[in-house]
Amino acid sequence: DAMVIQNPRYQVTQFGKPVTLSCSQTLNHNVMYWYQQKSSQAPKLLFHYYDKDFNNEADTPDNFQSRRPNTSFCFLDIRSPGLGDAAMYLCATKSGEREVNEQFFGPGTRLTVL
Amino acid sequence: GQNIDQPTEMTATEGAIVQINCTYQTSGFNGLFWYQQHAGEAPTFLSYNVLDGLEEKGRFSSFLSRSKGYSYLLLKELQMKDSASYLCALMDSNYQLIWGAGTKLIIKP
Repeated sequence: DAMVIQNPRYQVTQFGKPVTLSCSQTLNHNVMYWYQQKSSQAPKLLFHYYDKDFNNEADTPDNFQSRRPNTSFCFLDIRSPGLGDAAMYLCATKSGEREVNEQFFGPGTRLTVL
Repeated sequence: GQNIDQPTEMTATEGAIVQINCTYQTSGFNGLFWYQQHAGEAPTFLSYNVLDGLEEKGRFSSFLSRSKGYSYLLLKELQMKDSASYLCALMDSNYQLIWGAGTKLIIKP
């Protein structure tokens, strides 16, 4: 089945220790998104890619970086995680066709910062 | 600017009907989505409205009025598994999703 996969599902890191979250998709979608979602809050868009064209949201902290080496994979790097970065990180994809607007979400990675 | 409002929490009884409202303000509009999100899981797509009116899909229906900046999600024959958060999200002129904070729906037996 075509899908969006995120690894790991649960990630524990220490304060200040770099961590990388990964996302892969078999949908061959042009657009990929990274969201941060804290408990009982709306998902907050961090970045998105249209193919290799990278778009950084204005209020995304510099501590967060992203890489998309090919269509299928996208990574979220947190260079120096703080306690406030503990959240669910959601990867989503969307077809590049304008008339197809649905975003498909992966299961998310829950990040704990000790 | 853009703004989305939906109630924080609602309670309903198993077997009943519940309507979750969403109001929004936006300068650009390319449709409105409803997603369901169970605790600790990713959002899953429920519905998409871009034209005014009611879209029915099984036990779930979604309504949109663009002139009023208003949508609702109607859930019929509620089941315990429908206990979840329901997120309203509008797609702006750049085809990005602007999310509401979600409505936590509690179903009681």
